[in-house]
Amino acid sequence: EAQVTQNPRYLITVTGKKLTVTCSQNMNHEYMSWYRQDPGLGLRQIYYSMNVEVTDKGDVPEGYKVSRKEKRNFPLILESPSPNQTSLYFCASSFLGQGADGYTFGSGTRLTVV
Amino acid sequence: AQKITQTQPGMFVQEKEAVTLDCTYDTSDPSYGLFWYKQPSSGEMIFLIYQGSYDQQNATEGRYSLNFQKARKSANLVISASQLGDSAMYFCAMREGPNTDKLIFGTGTRLQVFP
Repeated sequence: EAQVTQNPRYLITVTGKKLTVTCSQNMNHEYMSWYRQDPGLGLRQIYYSMNVEVTDKGDVPEGYKVSRKEKRNFPLILESPSPNQTSLYFCASSFLGQGADGYTFGSGTRLTVV
Repeated sequence: AQKITQTQPGMFVQEKEAVTLDCTYDTSDPSYGLFWYKQPSSGEMIFLIYQGSYDQQNATEGRYSLNFQKARKSANLVISASQLGDSAMYFCAMREGPNTDKLIFGTGTRLQVFP
């Protein structure tokens, strides 16, 4: 089954404790990105990658890191999480510029930083 | 700058009735795509329907149709014969240009369907 797999689904952590949210896709998509969703703001892009070893900032990159060492994986790293990073996070992947075909979201990761 | 506006924070509709969720967009690029997603309380993003800027006909997918008015820059979602399971948050999103897959999202409309 074609899918984007995010882990974990739920995470509660403490301020300053480094964490990684994993994202993996099995569709050989070139493009992968991370979004965060906050009430009243919709989803906003954090980082994106157009292929292996090619990453760039989205609209809200502060406090996050990413890497793309393999085509299928695109982890999101919070080196020192803070309470304002409490949010619902989505990973997404697609073939670049192919309409709606194959644009796939993961199931989301609900992160709480206390 | 590209922008998506959803002016209805919440909507109510009775079961079996039709409902229209509004979405306007702003872009200067002639090539763009418009998406609608449904987000139930479980949180996942469910793709509903897509309209490309060069598509001649309005998109339809089952009970969902997109009322695309290019000159007015609107892309309203019409849900016919509402069902209780349609109660969810609905997001309109736009991808601008052929060289990015970044989606710009609106703030969403919460739809509640009552019996």
